[in-house]
Amino acid sequence: AQSVTQPDIHITVSEGASLELRCNYSYGATPYLFWYVQSPGQGLQLLLKYFSGDTLVQGIKGFEAEFKRSQSSFNLRKPSVHWSDAAEYFCAVGISGGYNKLIFGAGTRLAVHP
Amino acid sequence: EAGVTQFPSHSVIEKGQTVTLRCDPISGHDNLYWYRRVMGKEIKFLLHFVKESKQDESGMPNNRFLAERTGGTYSTLKVQPAELEDSGVYFCASSPGHPNTEAFFGQGTRLTVV
Repeated sequence: AQSVTQPDIHITVSEGASLELRCNYSYGATPYLFWYVQSPGQGLQLLLKYFSGDTLVQGIKGFEAEFKRSQSSFNLRKPSVHWSDAAEYFCAVGISGGYNKLIFGAGTRLAVHP
Repeated sequence: EAGVTQFPSHSVIEKGQTVTLRCDPISGHDNLYWYRRVMGKEIKFLLHFVKESKQDESGMPNNRFLAERTGGTYSTLKVQPAELEDSGVYFCASSPGHPNTEAFFGQGTRLTVV
């Protein structure tokens, strides 16, 4: 069965520190992979996506993610976190030919200390 | 360009009552999706419209939930009668008709059944 695992429910980092949010998926075919962010009072915003090609994907707000097929992972990274990055982050895998039937992980809530 | 809008943003109803959630997709988007997040768990797929037709309703939890998409424009999700376990955040998303394009999410409707 398809699934997405985000092992870290809560993460706290200091402003300026680096960040890595983990995501592992289980899906039989080539996955379409996404990271979304939900800031307080906002909807889900797409940070980046992987459909094919280069396995290192650049997104908005300085985020990047690397697709590693051998590890079934799609970890999200940012070299220097800003206070405004405090939010909840969701990893998702798209099935059904990329038509956005998404399976989400449980989310990782990021807190940023000044 | 207006994004995906959802009404209401919050709703508190008593068990046994009826609630109707509305979603206005981005103009011209053929695909419309409903998702739900219950009690801080994963965001789960409910159903997918292509224009006015239900393409996939495999995620609908039971027959108390009825989704419609009038004329392929806005969509409504009715819960009748509401139960306590229906509490959560209901997200709507839309995407254009061609594949490999991202879905744009609304802010969600927080439903509380008491």
